Amino acid sequence: GAGVSQSPSNKVTEKGKDVELRCDPISGHTALYWYRQSLGQGLEFLIYFQGNSAPDKSGLPSDRFSAERTGGSVSTLTIQRTQQEDSAVYLCASRQQGSTDTQYFGPGTRLTVL
Amino acid sequence: GENVEQHPSTLSVQEGDSAVIKCTYSDSASNYFPWYKQELGKRPQLIIDIRSNVGEKKDQRIAVTLNKTAKHFSLHITETQPEDSAVYFCAASKKTGANNLFFGTGTRLTVIP
Repeated sequence: GAGVSQSPSNKVTEKGKDVELRCDPISGHTALYWYRQSLGQGLEFLIYFQGNSAPDKSGLPSDRFSAERTGGSVSTLTIQRTQQEDSAVYLCASRQQGSTDTQYFGPGTRLTVL
Repeated sequence: GENVEQHPSTLSVQEGDSAVIKCTYSDSASNYFPWYKQELGKRPQLIIDIRSNVGEKKDQRIAVTLNKTAKHFSLHITETQPEDSAVYFCAASKKTGANNLFFGTGTRLTVIP
């Protein structure tokens, strides 16, 4: 079946602008995660959604970052007033709630803030 | 929170030799340890994982070992091939709550033909 998809694949923006990144999880996966991968670094957890529960926002680096998940499926990560240090690859992952722990990653959105 | 450390950061091996990548974690409550392979410009792909009730798991040329007492786990790749060249990430998570993964900083493996 279809895997996790993300759009856009690349986004170049000017400092101070807002950006929206989209994630389509695997159909039926109720858990959705956003991670950030800076150049040459590991993945950093940002936010987690599970069903209709309140999201776990403990990884968001500042209040400029927010995310929504509408209808329990598609998620949007919004970064307001982007800064150069926000440049990174933003990865989304989904997981089927239940016995499996496996997270499946999307291809990521490469964000470049000029 | 959990802190995962990974070594080495780069590793070069001759084709056919073995490669070992080691990770340590800090939170004794972590009980799930996946390994991801990420080729250049591609998404991370799960290659093997282990849960804390198991000490070792093998899948063809790949094996993972876990020492809960010492809080470390390792990835072993035998008979390496050029297509094994990639960045490998270890991670740890807890079954409860968000289950979010805490990642190591990655190991760039180069297999020299």
